[in-house]
Amino acid sequence: AQTVTQSQPEMSVQEAETVTLSCTYDTSESDYYLFWYKQPPSRQMILVIRQEAYKQQNATENRFSVNFQKAAKSFSLKISDSQLGDAAMYFCALNTGGFKTIFGAGTRLFVKA
Amino acid sequence: NAGVMQNPRHLVRRRGQEARLRCSPMKGHSHVYWYRQLPEEGLKFMVYLQKENIIDESGMPKERFSAEFPKEGPSILRIQQVVRGDSAAYFCASSPLGTDQETQYFGPGTRLLVL
Repeated sequence: AQTVTQSQPEMSVQEAETVTLSCTYDTSESDYYLFWYKQPPSRQMILVIRQEAYKQQNATENRFSVNFQKAAKSFSLKISDSQLGDAAMYFCALNTGGFKTIFGAGTRLFVKA
Repeated sequence: NAGVMQNPRHLVRRRGQEARLRCSPMKGHSHVYWYRQLPEEGLKFMVYLQKENIIDESGMPKERFSAEFPKEGPSILRIQQVVRGDSAAYFCASSPLGTDQETQYFGPGTRLLVL
């Protein structure tokens, strides 16, 4: 069975600071894809970043970067220079190349001005 | 904007009524997925469709729920005889055929409230 675990229900960060959101997963597949989605108060699901498991290099998108540790099955998201607009629910997700994406329970991020 | 479109954005139904949720995938995308999100939870997979075919409906309740993706027009998620427990946000996602199929792009969701 494939699972995604986000152990931090809530996190907070001071504006302009850096925060790391944790995610661990489990799958028996060797080839898969990992994602972070952001869900702001509007509840729209926004793709933040994606990582292919076969790539050793960590993905980056502007202020967002990941720390992908394949052996440890860990996929954390780092947000640098946090902004008020980063406040949202963040979901870690796993897709093993098929049609079903498995989501974690989410981490709610608060950004303090 | 050629993103995934869903309508209505909000839907209120009384118990026993039918709910119809519509989803138009991104241009060029031929795969559609439906997910349900209960309050304070992550998204749960319901069904995966291609044009005129249901590929996998393992996440969809066996009764009262059905989905279709006709040759022409949007994908429809239909919930018959709604109950209060059906109240949730229903998200549609789409992905292209071939490369990048594993990356799903989501619509804004439909919030269903059953009174």
